[in-house]
Amino acid sequence: SQQGEEDPQALSIQEGENATMNCSYKTSINNLQWYRQNSGRGLVHLILIRSNEREKHSGRLRVTLDTSKKSSSLLITASRAADTASYFCATAQGRSNYKLTFGKGTLLTVNP
Amino acid sequence: NAGVTQTPKFQVLKTGQSMTLQCAQDMNHEYMSWYRQDPGMGLRLIHYSVGAGITDQGEVPNGYNVSRSTTEDFPLRLLSAAPSQTSVYFCASSHDRGNQPQHFGDGTRLSIL
Repeated sequence: SQQGEEDPQALSIQEGENATMNCSYKTSINNLQWYRQNSGRGLVHLILIRSNEREKHSGRLRVTLDTSKKSSSLLITASRAADTASYFCATAQGRSNYKLTFGKGTLLTVNP
Repeated sequence: NAGVTQTPKFQVLKTGQSMTLQCAQDMNHEYMSWYRQDPGMGLRLIHYSVGAGITDQGEVPNGYNVSRSTTEDFPLRLLSAAPSQTSVYFCASSHDRGNQPQHFGDGTRLSIL
């Protein structure tokens, strides 16, 4: 069963705009991770946020985590055409902090 | 470093045939896993391993076997291919301590006719 669910399923924006994607999950977690997948390629790790953290930044990426609402958001600022990809959240639960459960992803299209 | 290497990149099989998908990593990662990705379904965990000689089932293990004889390699075997196993298969690896990101291969695109 899917632990994480991303929202929206698809998002289309213009270059330079910000993109926000949301992820909700069902059970308590050890950490939550965001991955990017370009068409026809494997997943690339973007950022990991631990259950005791509320916000994390990496370059143009900002991730928040609200464990009381069991939700996370990924913000990409000043988007570029190269940001066009699918974005997935994944959670690690229980005794394992490496065994991941993925959501279905958000397809982001950034138009030049 | 090559990272996670998957072979082959593409494969077409007939129903009932068997084959092995190869996965190798050169990062000395303890944890390795196999996922399948189907349209609209995200990634689902098939099998995983926390070290040589140790494997366990994930969410969708039926029809697949794995073994882990070395730290580097984690092959996935399809015993008798079925059309429902048409998918893109990804191998991933990571350290098993702390909070570690997973490293993915580029996938094997498998079609079962």
